[in-house]
Amino acid sequence: NAGVTQTPKFRILKIGQSMTLQCAQDMNHNYMYWYRQDPGMGLKLIYYSVGAGITDKGEVPNGYNVSRSTTEDFPLRLELAAPSQTSVYFCASSHGPPYGYTFGSGTRLTVV
Amino acid sequence: GQQVMQIPQYQHVQEGEDFTTYCNSSTTLSNIQWYKQRPGGHPVFLIQLVKSGEVKKQKRLTFQFGEAKKNSSLHITATQTTDVGTYFCAGQTSGSRLTFGEGTQLTVNP
Repeated sequence: NAGVTQTPKFRILKIGQSMTLQCAQDMNHNYMYWYRQDPGMGLKLIYYSVGAGITDKGEVPNGYNVSRSTTEDFPLRLELAAPSQTSVYFCASSHGPPYGYTFGSGTRLTVV
Repeated sequence: GQQVMQIPQYQHVQEGEDFTTYCNSSTTLSNIQWYKQRPGGHPVFLIQLVKSGEVKKQKRLTFQFGEAKKNSSLHITATQTTDVGTYFCAGQTSGSRLTFGEGTQLTVNP
C-alpha cells in the first residue's frame, strides 16, 4: 500500500498563477483533509471531506478550492497564487473519528 | 470553538535528559492523539488515548490522559538524537475532527 501520495513534492509559482495539488489514498478512507504548515508553526486546516461528493471549509479556506469526485482523490486548487500561500501543504486521510490520520509527505510551495 | 494549547513551544535538552510536553484542551475530549514530525518530514501518528487517566508506554515514551479528559502529556525518558522533531497533540470531541496543538519542537544536543 502506498498510503497517502501527494504530488508534486516541490513547486515554485509566480504571483497570480494557479495550480492543483494532487492527493490520493489507497486505504479506502472516507475522510480526507488538507492542511498548511508555515515554517516553525502548527497545522492549519484548509478543507476537509467526509466522503465522495462532500466537502467543507476548515480554518483557512480563502484562496483555495477542493473537490472530491472519488473516495481516493482529493485535489486542492490554488487560484491566483499569492506570496502568503507560500507554505508546506499536507494531505491526510482517516477512517473518521476516533481513528488517527495518515499524512502524505507534503508539497512545498513557494510563490514569488 | 475547541482549542488545544501545547507547552512548551520549544525545548532544548542534552542527550540523556528527560523531556515532557503538555497539552491542554478548553473542552472535554473523547480522545487525544499524539503525532511526531521529524525535521523536513510529515506528521506520523504515535498513539491514541481514550480513557480517563489512561497511561500508555512505547519504549522510552510515556503518554498520559488526564482524569478530566482535558489534558495530556508526553514524557520521553533519556532522550536520544533520534527523538529530535516536533511533537503534536490533537484532541477530538465526539464525532468531530481533530484539533491540533501548535506543537513542541524538541532539539537534542549530543
